[in-house]
Amino acid sequence: DTGVSQNPRHKITKRGQNVTFRCDPISEHNRLYWYRQTLGQGPEFLTYFQNEAQLEKSRLLSDRFSAERPKGSFSTLEIQRTEQGDSAMYLCASSFWVSGANVLTFGAGSRLTVL
Amino acid sequence: GQQVMQIPQYQHVQEGEDFTTYCNSSTTLSNIQWYKQRPGGHPVFLIQLVKSGEVKKQKRLTFQFGEAKKNSSLHITATQTTDVGTYFCAGSIQGAQKLVFGQGTRLTINP
Repeated sequence: DTGVSQNPRHKITKRGQNVTFRCDPISEHNRLYWYRQTLGQGPEFLTYFQNEAQLEKSRLLSDRFSAERPKGSFSTLEIQRTEQGDSAMYLCASSFWVSGANVLTFGAGSRLTVL
Repeated sequence: GQQVMQIPQYQHVQEGEDFTTYCNSSTTLSNIQWYKQRPGGHPVFLIQLVKSGEVKKQKRLTFQFGEAKKNSSLHITATQTTDVGTYFCAGSIQGAQKLVFGQGTRLTINP
């Protein structure tokens, strides 16, 4: 296993366009997280899945954002009608949750630039 | 909502000097984790603390979890250029499964 894989690594788009990011987690991990990181800030929680169920979604996330994890394997994060404020690094992380331990393994991220 | 604050935001030291970053939570945490992000990289897990007053060491790094489980610190003894990066604490509260990250402390080192 090569770790958490994210694609594309970079995406430049025009305002108003839709974008989709893909995350392939570590295969034996049952949890998958999406975070957003802007320059000089810590990762900001967006949403997470346990297997195929989306268990929590940040209240900061507008209706333009949607995430899926069909069959509990890879996940996609779609942003509709992108805005310049969406420009950020989108980080995916996976974990194998056991009681008292939830260590995240992050992917390299997908950098979005909205012009 | 749950907030995690870190200070300082930036720290520049001479190689060989010590470095400390502090993390404070607005709520009692069930555990706290520390991650390191190298320039241009992604966060990488360093350690997890669970017990009140817990202290863990990794070579030159010492991690502490406060008695009230609301604060934590990371201390690096005799910094080396390989320590350059941003250090994040991240905590979760009881019953919550998301990690809330602090804004990080960026460490730069003058060789």
